[in-house]
Amino acid sequence: EAGVAQSPRYKIIEKRQSVAFWCNPISGHATLYWYQQILGQGPKLLIQFQNNGVVDDSQLPKDRFSAERLKGVDSTLKIQPAKLEDSAVYLCASSPQGNEQFFGPGTRLTVL
Amino acid sequence: GESVGLHLPTLSVQEGDNSIINCAYSNSASDYFIWYKQESGKGPQFIIDIRSNMDKRQGQRVTVLLNKTVKHLSLQIAATQPGDSAVYFCAERSGGYQKVTFGTGTKLQVIP
Repeated sequence: EAGVAQSPRYKIIEKRQSVAFWCNPISGHATLYWYQQILGQGPKLLIQFQNNGVVDDSQLPKDRFSAERLKGVDSTLKIQPAKLEDSAVYLCASSPQGNEQFFGPGTRLTVL
Repeated sequence: GESVGLHLPTLSVQEGDNSIINCAYSNSASDYFIWYKQESGKGPQFIIDIRSNMDKRQGQRVTVLLNKTVKHLSLQIAATQPGDSAVYFCAERSGGYQKVTFGTGTKLQVIP
């Protein structure tokens, strides 16, 4: 079974630029999550989708972050404009029924 | 690659010894708990889970103990091996949409 795919793996941008991350979850998984993991900390949930609907985005900085999951499969997370404090690893995970989550390798973002 | 374990509490154990990693959780309404292992440059990987109506669950070389009275979770790894070196996170799930909240993590170093 193929795992969760993410791209790019690494991204370096200047502050105030925009960036987008892509996630392809495991086939058939209804729930998709985006997490932000700052160095030395545990992952923090940004947004959770159930199929193509948002069920939790309470910790998403909506003034600069947006996410969508068109057709309930792939998802993109965008940051515009980026700030220095957005430097982190962005993890995507999927789950068949909200129990065990399967994580992708993450995208490491560096904002200069 | 850059370590996810920077600034995290560290547990050093001799190869072959048993390891115990502890975690305090915050939400008394959490109904499900998970331990994840995260190696450098990778996403978290599921190890073992336990529901709130249990106090112990065993897997292959791992045991999770849950003490709801003091909101404490522990992960025991038997006969620790060099491949067990990683950062370990506990996570708790709560709420109608099963939101998962991660703890701060513990870095396990196995000394050969």
